[in-house]
Amino acid sequence: QVQLVQSGAEVKKAGASVKVSCKASGYTFSDYYIHWVRQAPGQGLEWMGWINPNSGAAKYAQRFQGRVSVPWDTSITTAYMELTWLRSDDTAMYYCARGIRRSFSYGSGTYWGYYFDYWGQGTLVTVSS
Amino acid sequence: ETILTQSPGTLSLSPGERATLSCRASQNVNNNYLAWYQQKPGQAPRLLIYGASSRATGIPDRFTGSGSGTDFTLTINRLEPEDFAVYYCQQYGTSLGYTFGQGTKLEIK
Repeated sequence: QVQLVQSGAEVKKAGASVKVSCKASGYTFSDYYIHWVRQAPGQGLEWMGWINPNSGAAKYAQRFQGRVSVPWDTSITTAYMELTWLRSDDTAMYYCARGIRRSFSYGSGTYWGYYFDYWGQGTLVTVSS
Repeated sequence: ETILTQSPGTLSLSPGERATLSCRASQNVNNNYLAWYQQKPGQAPRLLIYGASSRATGIPDRFTGSGSGTDFTLTINRLEPEDFAVYYCQQYGTSLGYTFGQGTKLEIK
């Protein structure tokens, strides 16, 4: 069965970096993008970015550009999310999720969108000042 | 960015009743690429509906998704105790990224 198992909770100081891991099993790792979504305490869900484990291509939400990266290691079917220059408002639960890709046409272009069929259990990152 | 507005913010119902949750997009969602998720306290979200109306694997048929364009609805018939949770919609059919609604809390009356 498909599983995404994330690393444990982290406590960091403001200005530090954090790296969260997401170990995938039960499917061919390179066939699906891994996405990262976060949820601040008592708040909604916010998409952060994705990694294509087959090509290494990545895309990030604009608000995280320059602070987030999503490395991966196919040999151990693990994706990572690294967030730098942590602030107190980065305190959140961070989830990895497997993306199901769907294409659509808009204007003269073709785009891809993703919904998320399997999620990791979440990793709580707490940032203290 | 496409804004998704969910209503109501909180819905209070009793087991056995029907719940109707709304999700409105600030622009057209191409191909009705709209998903619904259920989240219980301390758990990750769980996919319920994709493509506006297709149930994910293992989801009971009391969960029904409908709608198109900018207006979408999740209907839960004959509420069971385990259905009380927070529900999020998510669009993946615009050129401006993937966004979630702010959620609707379904609570026991």
